[in-house]
Amino acid sequence: GAVVSQHPSRVICKSGTSVKIECRSLDFQATTMFWYRQFPKQSLMLMATSNEGSKATYEQGVEKDKFLINHASLTLSTLTVTSAHPEDSSFYICSASVVGGETQYFGPGTRLLVL
Amino acid sequence: GNSVTQMEGPVTLSEEAFLTINCTYTATGYPSLFWYVQYPGEGLQLLLKATKADDKGSNKGFEATYRKETTSFHLEKGSVQVSDSAVYFCALSKRRNTGNQFYFGTGTSLTVIP
Repeated sequence: GAVVSQHPSRVICKSGTSVKIECRSLDFQATTMFWYRQFPKQSLMLMATSNEGSKATYEQGVEKDKFLINHASLTLSTLTVTSAHPEDSSFYICSASVVGGETQYFGPGTRLLVL
Repeated sequence: GNSVTQMEGPVTLSEEAFLTINCTYTATGYPSLFWYVQYPGEGLQLLLKATKADDKGSNKGFEATYRKETTSFHLEKGSVQVSDSAVYFCALSKRRNTGNQFYFGTGTSLTVIP
């Protein structure tokens, strides 16, 4: 149980385009989803916390207009990287918590490469 | 503030060797503690957790004990296998208004050689 999927697993795009990444909880309802960014050989950096039906809470230094997060249902959150640039290339990982739970369950990650 | 410090890697061990990865934390109150494992090209998988002092988390031969007196949560395994090669992250969880926030260590890369 507690499986989280992400789509796509890998995406290559041109500079200036927008990319949408989906995060789904497959077998549980997640009131809270989290979006992380991971640079090579580094730890995870929390970008934002997404609660179903409300606006996402962004961490300091994360541009909310660049990284649009939508949590439309209890099983789906999306991250849209708008007007992507090469410096946005990274590994993006989402996680989800069950209702009332503490453990976060992580998706497999999405590797974004902006050319 | 809240933070997690892990021993730096990379760590290279021979198969069947004993593994210890040190983890200490700084936190207010009573956090929950976790170990996650990340295999190459994949996301993080929960390995084990402990929610209160003196709890021992265990899974797949790995163990870690929540030591409040030393603010530590060291990961151990008695006999590692090649398949244990991965990056291991120690983390603590603190509740806040928007949900439980995780604070991760920098990760320790483990390579097990036959």
